[in-house]
Amino acid sequence: QKEVEQNSGPLSVPEGAIASLNCTYSDRGSQSFFWYRQYSGKSPELIMFIYSNGDKEDGRFTAQLNKASQYVSLLIRDSQPSDSATYLCAVRGGSYIPTFGRGTSLIVHP
Amino acid sequence: GAGVSQSPRYKVAKRGQDVALRCDPISGHVSLFWYQQALGQGPEFLTYFQNEAQLDKSGLPSDRFFAERPEGSVSTLKIQRTQQEDSAVYLCASSLVNELYNEQFFGPGTRLTVL
Repeated sequence: QKEVEQNSGPLSVPEGAIASLNCTYSDRGSQSFFWYRQYSGKSPELIMFIYSNGDKEDGRFTAQLNKASQYVSLLIRDSQPSDSATYLCAVRGGSYIPTFGRGTSLIVHP
Repeated sequence: GAGVSQSPRYKVAKRGQDVALRCDPISGHVSLFWYQQALGQGPEFLTYFQNEAQLDKSGLPSDRFFAERPEGSVSTLKIQRTQQEDSAVYLCASSLVNELYNEQFFGPGTRLTVL
């Protein structure tokens, strides 16, 4: 069974700090990796996706992928209170059906 | 344009009742997914449609769950003889096509509570 593991948290960081969110996956055939943000009571919204080893940057967000270690992470620079949410990692492989982790709760305190 | 819409937003059912949850995907989106999200968990895949064809229903937890998309647009997820363990948020997502790098757009979800 394909598994996607995330620490449920909460991860608490001060405003302005870097938040680091991590995700590991079991299926070596996985090819694309997504980070979603989900505010309490709301639906997930896509932040970034990555499919090549290395880093991908978009504004304050950087996704990092290491396929050999089966590890993907999301860095949020200059964290803001509005970044407080649950961050879901999703992984897609040959079946194209995404598998989601349980999410990591992030709290950014002023 | 309009995003994915779902109705009802909230549904309370007595144990044993049948419920029907509706999803209106983004116009023109070929792919439609249903997920179940329990409290504190990530979305769990239920079923996938490409146009009107249900290509994968491996995630449906029991034969009490049934989904259809007869005209390739609106989809309905039906749960028969609801049980307390069915209580969850049911999310619908659509995408233009189902490829590895395509974004899925989620609806607001239907929160089902079975008493």
